[in-house]
Amino acid sequence: EAGVTQFPSHSVIEKGQTVTLRCDPISGHDNLYWYRRVMGKEIKFLLHFVKESKQDESGMPNNRFLAERTGGTYSTLKVQPAELEDSGVYFCASSQDGQGNLYEQYFGPGTRLTVT
Amino acid sequence: GESVGLHLPTLSVQEGDNSIINCAYSNSASDYFIWYKQESGKGPQFIIDIRSNMDKRQGQRVTVLLNKTVKHLSLQIAATQPGDSAVYFCAEIAPDYGGSQGNLIFGKGTKLSVKP
Repeated sequence: EAGVTQFPSHSVIEKGQTVTLRCDPISGHDNLYWYRRVMGKEIKFLLHFVKESKQDESGMPNNRFLAERTGGTYSTLKVQPAELEDSGVYFCASSQDGQGNLYEQYFGPGTRLTVT
Repeated sequence: GESVGLHLPTLSVQEGDNSIINCAYSNSASDYFIWYKQESGKGPQFIIDIRSNMDKRQGQRVTVLLNKTVKHLSLQIAATQPGDSAVYFCAEIAPDYGGSQGNLIFGKGTKLSVKP
């Protein structure tokens, strides 16, 4: 079974530019989460999709961040315009809903975003 | 690498010794806790979990202890191996609502270094 994949693995952009990160969850997983770790801080929750619906977006830092999950499959996280403090590693995780280990979230390798 | 600037607490142990990694959690309402292992360049990987109605759970070479009185978790790794070198995070599940699975609240992490 393929795991959670993320693209790109690394992105370097200038302040003010736009970047779009992509996450492909494990097939059949209804829950998709975005997290990020900025320099010197712990991993923090951004938002949670259940299928195509945003269940919880309380962790989104501001309106420069836009997440979508059209069709309930892959998800994108767009940062526009990027600021220096957005630099960090962005993780995506997915989990099943109601089966097996209810809460086990499987993480992707992350996208390292560097804003210069 | 990813750990630059993070100034994580570090635990250095000799191969074959037992390791104990500690974590304090924040929310007394949390009822589910997980330990994750993160190797360089990879996302967090599930190790072991425990519910709040338990105080101990054992896996293969790992044991998690939960002390709800002082809101403390520990991860014990028996016969530590070089492959155990990684950053270890404890996480708690945010209070669940609406029937959906809650997001993870991560601790700061501890870097485990195993000397051969």
